[in-house]
Amino acid sequence: KAGVTQTPRYLIKTRGQQVTLSCSPISGHRSVSWYQQTPGQGLQFLFEYFSETQRNKGNFPGRFSGRQFSNSRSEMNVSTLELGDSALYLCASSFSLTYEQYFGPGTRLTVT
Amino acid sequence: KNEVEQSPQNLTAQEGEFITINCSYSVGISALHWLQQHPGGGIVSLFMLSSGKKKHGRLIATINIQEKHSSLHITASHPRDSAVYICAVKKGADGLTFGKGTHLIIQP
Repeated sequence: KAGVTQTPRYLIKTRGQQVTLSCSPISGHRSVSWYQQTPGQGLQFLFEYFSETQRNKGNFPGRFSGRQFSNSRSEMNVSTLELGDSALYLCASSFSLTYEQYFGPGTRLTVT
Repeated sequence: KNEVEQSPQNLTAQEGEFITINCSYSVGISALHWLQQHPGGGIVSLFMLSSGKKKHGRLIATINIQEKHSSLHITASHPRDSAVYICAVKKGADGLTFGKGTHLIIQP
């Protein structure tokens, strides 16, 4: 069974631009969660989706948004990028909201 | 005070030693996760616990719900166990809250 895939793996953007990251969950998994990892703040929860509905949102500004499609694939979008948005963005999929999560390799975003 | 506290922050040990990493949390939880992250960023879920004890190979995870404490043990440690070990808790329907991680180095 293929694991969680994230595209792109690396991305360089300029302040003020916007970016869209993609996550394809393990086949059969209906829940996708997104996390941000920075050296200063560590891992922080961004969103959690199940069956195309956002079930939870972390303490991030409205510039961070996401969605989940009918095939469970998910995207997250960050608008008006700031230098502080430079981070590793990880997604994780699980069969349902209370099941074990399987992490993707992450997208490393650098904002210059 | 962070909701999830891990200790130690850094640990260097010799190959073969028994390793213990601790995690304390301050809120009621529905589940606790132990994660492993290698250099380069990939995260692997080691255990998800809501009570008792789980074992997988040389890894053992325990949780004491009353004391709000969990431990991750590695027996017969090996240099390939060198990684960051992260404890994370789930409160009800909320997203995961993470500890800051324990940097483990096993020297040959």
